[in-house]
Parts: sequence; C-alpha cells; structure tokens
Amino acid sequence: QVQLQESGPGLVQPSETLSLTCTVSGYSISSGHYWGWIRQPPGKGLEWIGSVYHSGSAYYNPSLKSRVTISVDTSRNQFSLTLESVTAADTAVYYCAREGVGAPAFDSWGQGSRVPVSS
Amino acid sequence: EIVLTQSPDTLSLSPGESATLSCRATQSSYLAWYQQKPGQAPRLLIFGASSRATGIPDRFSGGGSGTDSTLTISRLEPEDFAMYYCQQYGDSLFTFGPGTKVHMK
Repeated sequence: QVQLQESGPGLVQPSETLSLTCTVSGYSISSGHYWGWIRQPPGKGLEWIGSVYHSGSAYYNPSLKSRVTISVDTSRNQFSLTLESVTAADTAVYYCAREGVGAPAFDSWGQGSRVPVSS
Repeated sequence: EIVLTQSPDTLSLSPGESATLSCRATQSSYLAWYQQKPGQAPRLLIFGASSRATGIPDRFSGGGSGTDSTLTISRLEPEDFAMYYCQQYGDSLFTFGPGTKVHMK
C-alpha cells in the first residue's frame, strides 16, 4: 500500500524559498504515475501546484509556474517542491499526492505539511 | 481555464437521508470527487465522473454528463458529514471547485 509523507521546515520567511520533500513508501516512483503537489490555505479550498513523472518531466499550474520547480529523486523514492519568493499568500497546508494511471485524479495523499510564511 | 462551481454551499441533513451535490464546469472535462474531513487530507471518492475509487462504499455514486456532474450519497452515515470537492482535469491543468459542506442537522 502506497504511503506518502511530506517533510520540510515549519516556517518560511517572506521573500525566501519554500522547500518540501515527499517520501514515498510501499511503491516505487519509477513504476509509473505522475506525482503532484496540492496546497490549501487556511479555511480555503484546494489548489493544484504541479506534477512530475519519474523521468523528471513536470507540468505546472500557470498561476504559479514562474516560481515553482518540482523535481524527482528516484534513488531515494522522493519528489520535491520549491516555491520561490514566497509571501503571506503562500501560507497553506501543502499535500503531496499520486495521480492515478489513466485517470487524472489523486488517489493517494500525504497527511499534509503546514507551512506558515511569516517574519 | 475551466472554472468549476459547486452547489449548494452547505447541505443540512440528518443521518439516513440522501444528499445530492452538484458541480458545473465551464466546459466538459474529466471529473473527480473528494471528501475532506477537518485536519485530514482529501480522499478520492469518484473518478471519471462515475467510477468509485478503491474501498469507497456503494452509497457514494457519481453521475451527470457534459458540464454538469452530481455526487449522490444515499443513506448518510455519521462519518459522511464533511466537505466535498469536485475536481476537473483539462488542458494539462487540474482545478478544484470551492466545495460543498454536508452538515449534520
């Protein structure tokens, strides 16, 4: 059974870079699927950030594309998110998730990592 | 960009009743439904508009066609009171609706 776990710093200062890693267990990233990041600001809805394949090919939400990079490390069975030049509007719970094969929906999720942006 | 609207914003119902949630898209696209409880990650319920995800009880069903989709929960159980989001995929972009809260009366 696939499990996903986010990790990263608990606080990021404005104008700095947010970095998170998702560690996948119970399933090899190299076996297929796209792997994605979704965020949820406090009390608000869900926003897809982007997704990456095990080859490193990634695609992003156009609204965040200029600030986002998603990368993959198959040797560690991890994928990562970097978001540059953060502001308070980037404060959110960040989830990593697996896209279904042939079914563009997220079928497995991490528990989420709460990231406040504050000085 | 495809925009999703969900209705109603809130449903107040009692256990044992049925719930019908609606999701409308600005164009026809691949649609999924998720359930989210406070402090938890979303859980996939329905994909491809009408296929139940693994382990989802058959009281959850998805339907509709074109730009209008529905999620029906028959015989609400206490654990079904939660937030529900629809999600579409089109033009290499995932978008989520604003959500419907199913509240216990």
